Amino acid sequence: DTGVSQDPRHKITKRGQNVTFRCDPISEHNRLYWYRQTLGQGPEFLTYFQNEAQLEKSRLLSDRFSAERPKGSFSTLEIQRTEQGDSAMYLCASSQTSGRPHSYEQYFGPGTRLTVT
Amino acid sequence: AQSVTQLDSQVPVFEEAPVELRCNYSSSVSVYLFWYVQYPNQGLQLLLKYLSGSTLVKSINGFEAEFNKSQTSFHLRKPSVHISDTAEYFCAVRTGNQFYFGTGTSLTVIP
Repeated sequence: DTGVSQDPRHKITKRGQNVTFRCDPISEHNRLYWYRQTLGQGPEFLTYFQNEAQLEKSRLLSDRFSAERPKGSFSTLEIQRTEQGDSAMYLCASSQTSGRPHSYEQYFGPGTRLTVT
Repeated sequence: AQSVTQLDSQVPVFEEAPVELRCNYSSSVSVYLFWYVQYPNQGLQLLLKYLSGSTLVKSINGFEAEFNKSQTSFHLRKPSVHISDTAEYFCAVRTGNQFYFGTGTSLTVIP
């Protein structure tokens, strides 16, 4: 098991462009979370999936943001018409739920750093 | 909604000295508590967690944290820090299906 991976690690884009990030969770994990982290702040919850179902979305997630997990494995996060305020580290985490509390432990990927110029 | 407060944004400490990183949360209703560490240019790694049982939990590298329900706190301690402990530390609380993170404490160990 290679852990949670994210691609790309860095993305520089011009304002107004669309970007898409990918997250590959740990293979047996059925839950996948997206977070955004800005400088000097902790991760802020954006959305999460259980298998392919998107179960919760934060109010931080504007209409320009969309996330998918089509087959319950990898996930993509797309930002349309990027703004400078979207510049941040986007983190993905996965976990396994099996009815036992310790299974809710999250494993994080290295993140994708987005810079909007 | 849950909120997590880490009052100290930066903590400098000399090598081999003790350290305490403070964490308080807003709601004590059915919470699970975590400390994550983030080394420079790396992702967040779980350091330790409280789910139930003994209120004192320990990590393999000498850190410990104590769940205090009455004070809604989960402070992180280490009796003697090493240079390699220099990192950003995040306290997190799981309530329901969401995780809430504090703003982080930057621990710098001075040789």
